[in-house]
Amino acid sequence: GQNIDQPTEMTATEGAIVQINCTYQTSGFNGLFWYQQHAGEAPTFLSYNVLDGLEEKGRFSSFLSRSKGYSYLLLKELQMKDSASYLCAVKPDSWGKLQFGAGTQVVVTP
Amino acid sequence: ETGVTQTPRHLVMGMTNKKSLKCEQHLGHNAMYWYKQSAKKPLELMFVYNFKEQTENNSVPSRFSPECPNSSHLFLHLHTLQPEDSALYLCASSQWRQPQHFGDGTRLSIL
Repeated sequence: GQNIDQPTEMTATEGAIVQINCTYQTSGFNGLFWYQQHAGEAPTFLSYNVLDGLEEKGRFSSFLSRSKGYSYLLLKELQMKDSASYLCAVKPDSWGKLQFGAGTQVVVTP
Repeated sequence: ETGVTQTPRHLVMGMTNKKSLKCEQHLGHNAMYWYKQSAKKPLELMFVYNFKEQTENNSVPSRFSPECPNSSHLFLHLHTLQPEDSALYLCASSQWRQPQHFGDGTRLSIL
């Protein structure tokens, strides 16, 4: 079967760091995406990894290990507006479709 | 403004009704997608269109019928839906094999 697993919910305080893990088992691998989705809004693209290693974009970083079927999204200097659901998605082949995890709800507290 | 516009934002319909969801993208993309998002479940891919041709139908029941008249517009025609079809329906677009851009979705409730 195909599985993309991520924690259901994480809570952290403003200014802290949170790491959201994602493990995947898919029929193939052609890249991994992270999206942010605020309640009632569209998912917005955050990052894309296709090779092993760390991609950094401002306060957000994403890491990939293809041999371990593992990725994480690191959110630094948390702000209240970072409270949202974070979706991990794998592209299993060279075509356009994505397979999504159920999302991790991040709650940022003052 | 996300570049991908979906209408209506909310829809309540009975099981015997026929309605359509509309998606329009202003990004010049050549691929468009329909997803279903139910509470606490992963986004489920329903259909993929690439250059107006359907390239993926993810075993979706025939009560959902997609239409892609051109690369900017995508419709999802609905008829005789079931209560379990109540969900958020998201449209996305992309350049082929590039990150997808999502609309805000249509919240569908079946009575």
